[in-house]
Amino acid sequence: AQRVTQPEKLLSVFKGAPVELKCNYSYSGSPELFWYVQYSRQRLQLLLRHISRESIKGFTADLNKGETSFHLKKPFAQEEDSAMYYCALRDGGATNKLIFGTGTLLAVQP
Amino acid sequence: GAGVSQSPSNKVTEKGKDVELRCDPISGHTALYWYRQSLGQGLEFLIYFQGNSAPDKSGLPSDRFSAERTGGSVSTLTIQRTQQEDSAVYLCASRPFPGLAGGYGTDTQYFGPGTRLTVL
Repeated sequence: AQRVTQPEKLLSVFKGAPVELKCNYSYSGSPELFWYVQYSRQRLQLLLRHISRESIKGFTADLNKGETSFHLKKPFAQEEDSAMYYCALRDGGATNKLIFGTGTLLAVQP
Repeated sequence: GAGVSQSPSNKVTEKGKDVELRCDPISGHTALYWYRQSLGQGLEFLIYFQGNSAPDKSGLPSDRFSAERTGGSVSTLTIQRTQQEDSAVYLCASRPFPGLAGGYGTDTQYFGPGTRLTVL
């Protein structure tokens, strides 16, 4: 079954510390993975997608097929990074619906 | 341009009542999704519309849930005989017409602000 797992509900770090938000997936084919972010009182928005191999706001995520992981990383956390982060897997069917993890709340302390 | 809009932003209802939630997608987007965001559950796919094709209703949790999309634009999600477990934030997302392979921008889903439903 297709599934996305985010094991941490809450990750609290100090400003300037490295951040790693974990995401593991289960998918039989070639996965397409995304990170979405929801800042306080804002709508859910795309942060980055693995296929474009981009870095957004200092965040990167590498797809590791051997470990079936797509962890989100940033070397130096900023207070404005505090938000809810969702890892998502695109369904391979016609709908292209997204299968989301349960999310990780990142809290960056000053 | 304007993003996806949803109304109402908040809805409080009594158990057993019917509710309608509305979504206005981005103009020109042919694909429309409904998701449910429950506490501790992440986002759960509900239903998908693509143009004039039959919708994919595989995510609807029960027959109390239904949705329609009129004229290929506005969509309404209806929940009949609401139950307390229906309390959640209901999100709508739209996406441009699926483009050619490698057209990354066409696979991005743009989300609305959501409707927070509370069933007392």
